[in-house]
Amino acid sequence: DIQMTQSPSSLSASVGDRVTITCRASQSISNYLNWYQYKPGKAPQLLIYAASTLQGGVPSRFSGSGSGTDFTLTISSLQPEDFAIYFCQQTFSTHTFGQGTKLEIK
Amino acid sequence: QVQLKESGPGLVKPSQTLSLTCDVSGVSVTSGGYYWSWIRLPAGKGLEWVGRVYSSGSTSYNPSLKSRLAISLDTSKNQFSLNLTSVTAADTAIYFCARVMITFGGVMRYDYWGEGTLVTVSS
Repeated sequence: DIQMTQSPSSLSASVGDRVTITCRASQSISNYLNWYQYKPGKAPQLLIYAASTLQGGVPSRFSGSGSGTDFTLTISSLQPEDFAIYFCQQTFSTHTFGQGTKLEIK
Repeated sequence: QVQLKESGPGLVKPSQTLSLTCDVSGVSVTSGGYYWSWIRLPAGKGLEWVGRVYSSGSTSYNPSLKSRLAISLDTSKNQFSLNLTSVTAADTAIYFCARVMITFGGVMRYDYWGEGTLVTVSS
């Protein structure tokens, strides 16, 4: 299986901050990389697919980049509703997820 | 509006079978271009892909679960289901169902999810 490693595992930030979460694949996955936001008790939400394409209805402060093995999710200006857990996922082969990044309020 | 909702017992005894159903509304499970998938989230761990079923009924499973797993469609009820046999405490998790859209170049995106259901394996 392709292993997905996210960093950091947790992150404290303030409203208005710019934050970046990284995801590294154990082998090249081209651009078969998705990002999700998860709030416990709610359905996970797709943010970014194909590494950099914004899912419809997702605010433009979210962006994704990368190709091959290294990817990033950036939130340009944190809003109160953005404090959540973020997962990356590869769909190049048997689908696997990163271990998650918990974004907390500083 | 596409909606998915998981249902099933919240408590299963070790060695028994875990059975869950995902009710789908707003789209037919027989519509082409979609897979229907199960994913789980064990406490303190990351998401784990469990498996998926296509509108034709063909399936693909996580190799680590394949020997115990079956996913199927019920087109008459517009739902799909998961059966996991011989469960242990390691199968305790929140189980999510999701729609997987297949787009250009084979890109797949999990665009609609249920809110999840907690299944605890304990005697």
